[in-house]
Amino acid sequence: ETGVTQTPRHLVMGMTNKKSLKCEQHLGHNAMYWYKQSAKKPLELMFVYNFKEQTENNSVPSRFSPECPNSSHLFLHLHTLQPEDSALYLCASSQELAGVLTDTQYFGPGTRLTVL
Amino acid sequence: AQTVTQSQPEMSVQEAETVTLSCTYDTSESDYYLFWYKQPPSRQMILVIRQEAYKQQNATENRFSVNFQKAAKSFSLKISDSQLGDAAMYFCAYYNTNAGKSTFGDGTTLTVKP
Repeated sequence: ETGVTQTPRHLVMGMTNKKSLKCEQHLGHNAMYWYKQSAKKPLELMFVYNFKEQTENNSVPSRFSPECPNSSHLFLHLHTLQPEDSALYLCASSQELAGVLTDTQYFGPGTRLTVL
Repeated sequence: AQTVTQSQPEMSVQEAETVTLSCTYDTSESDYYLFWYKQPPSRQMILVIRQEAYKQQNATENRFSVNFQKAAKSFSLKISDSQLGDAAMYFCAYYNTNAGKSTFGDGTTLTVKP
């Protein structure tokens, strides 16, 4: 059983919809990540949160809005998306020790997003 | 900027045989980690093996082992006694300790033939 869960597993939305992706980790980690995995592209890091603070935003469009209310939960709020945003969105977590993010990330199963 | 290159988009292996997936990376850092992740059709990303750059000894995990050539910046994955359950996409990843960031390769799709 994975220590990182994501809901929903599949999501279809129109370009005018607003939806949210949820990630929860049960590993006691304090760093969480959002990745985007498009077809035939490497994983793209979107956001990094460390102790609930956003430490990385890789030039992600504002139609993606992350929220990290606590170290165990991470959301990705979606609004007015484009068809090219269709992808698998993966959440991951890792431990933070003495101010350094440790190397090993544990991934959730992903949310398959389709934007019509 | 760090880059990770997996030159084999697709590989296939006969069940019970051995296959090697290649990965090269580019970095100016001396302290980093390297990983191989497996992503089966379920899309769950699973850590297969991890290598610390400061260790000369190649990491092994059961049927999985790596050939880490630091000077050549090469990090290949060897799967011995391949099983049908090994069929998946395999990603090589580099972790920059200073930046706290991971960079992934494009992936290699492995097919295991019965």
